[in-house]
Amino acid sequence: KAGVTQTPRYLIKTRGQQVTLSCSPISGHRSVSWYQQTPGQGLQFLFEYFSETQRNKGNFPGRFSGRQFSNSRSEMNVSTLELGDSALYLCASSSGGGEGEQFFGPGTRLTVL
Amino acid sequence: AQSVSQHNHHVILSEAASLELGCNYSYGGTVNLFWYVQYPGQHLQLLLKYFSGDPLVKGIKGFEAEFIKSKFSFNLRKPSVQWSDTAEYFCAVRWTSGTYKYIFGTGTRLKVLA
Repeated sequence: KAGVTQTPRYLIKTRGQQVTLSCSPISGHRSVSWYQQTPGQGLQFLFEYFSETQRNKGNFPGRFSGRQFSNSRSEMNVSTLELGDSALYLCASSSGGGEGEQFFGPGTRLTVL
Repeated sequence: AQSVSQHNHHVILSEAASLELGCNYSYGGTVNLFWYVQYPGQHLQLLLKYFSGDPLVKGIKGFEAEFIKSKFSFNLRKPSVQWSDTAEYFCAVRWTSGTYKYIFGTGTRLKVLA
């Protein structure tokens, strides 16, 4: 089975712009979660989607949004980028109801200048 | 609010030393527990997990963890570390009722000196 894939792998944007990141989960996985990883902060939970519905949301501003499509692929969008949004954005998928192991993608490295 | 705490942010050990990394979570509900590892330049991957049963679980590469329900803890151990264990280790908790949130600790960077 192919693993979790994320595109693009690297992205450079300037403040005020918006960005869309994409995640394709492992085939058959319906739960997709997004995390922001920064040094010293660990993995900060952004949101989780399950069968096209947002099931959980972390403590991020409304500039961060996401969606999941019928094929379980997911996108996250960040509008009005700030310097502090520079981070590695990780996507993870999980089988069943999403309560088990999460399989992580390689991440998208976003740099905001 | 639900939270997960890892007590050690940076650990430096010599090869063959024993390792114990602490992890505590806030109370409330039934949980599934995980330790993940991120080797330099690699994806996060599962080290071990606990859902139910024997509170002492064994994972890959000689790691084990013990769930102590009364202390809300899930500490990771390895009797003798190797240079190749240099990595960042994350504890994660999934609440299986209520919010069903999956929360990670802030991670522990382990450096093993050869």
